[in-house]
Amino acid sequence: EAGVTQFPSHSVIEKGQTVTLRCDPISGHDNLYWYRRVMGKEIKFLLHFVKESKQDESGMPNNRFLAERTGGTYSTLKVQPAELEDSGVYFCASSQDPGDSYNEQFFGPGTRLTVL
Amino acid sequence: RKEVEQDPGPFNVPEGATVAFNCTYSNSASQSFFWYRQDCRKEPKLLMSVYSSGNEDGRFTAQLNRASQYISLLIRDSKLSDSATYLCVVNMNSGYSTLTFGKGTMLLVSP
Repeated sequence: EAGVTQFPSHSVIEKGQTVTLRCDPISGHDNLYWYRRVMGKEIKFLLHFVKESKQDESGMPNNRFLAERTGGTYSTLKVQPAELEDSGVYFCASSQDPGDSYNEQFFGPGTRLTVL
Repeated sequence: RKEVEQDPGPFNVPEGATVAFNCTYSNSASQSFFWYRQDCRKEPKLLMSVYSSGNEDGRFTAQLNRASQYISLLIRDSKLSDSATYLCVVNMNSGYSTLTFGKGTMLLVSP
């Protein structure tokens, strides 16, 4: 069974440009999460989808970030316009039933974003 | 105070050694606890869930002390392949599983 996939693996853009990251969760996983690790810091939560609905977006840093999950399948995270401090690794994770707090989240390989 | 704190290391140990990592968390209402392993430039992968009764999986033993808000991971008979960063991870929400990560502890096992 395929794991969580993310595209692209790397992206280098200039400040002010737009970038869209994509995540395909494990088939059948209703829960999809975005996390981010900026250099020197810990991995931080951005937001959580249950199917197509945003369950929790408390971690989104500002309104330059827009996440969508049309149809409850894959998700996109758009950064517009990108700033230097947006550089980092963006991880996507998915899980099955969230009712169990020990439910495992499976992580994708991440997208490494560099803003110049 | 950071929500999840770990000693960043690195811990340099020879093969066969026993090594212990510790972690503290700030939210006493936290629901669930994990150790994830992350290899260089790879994604985090679940190593072990940590339960109140403590649990063991082969060479790995995890302990949870809710009163002290403290989690530990013990690795016995270290292998070269254990070299990685070990992330202490806590679910601080009673609802959905939003994870809060520590910065990680780096382990280097040498021949």
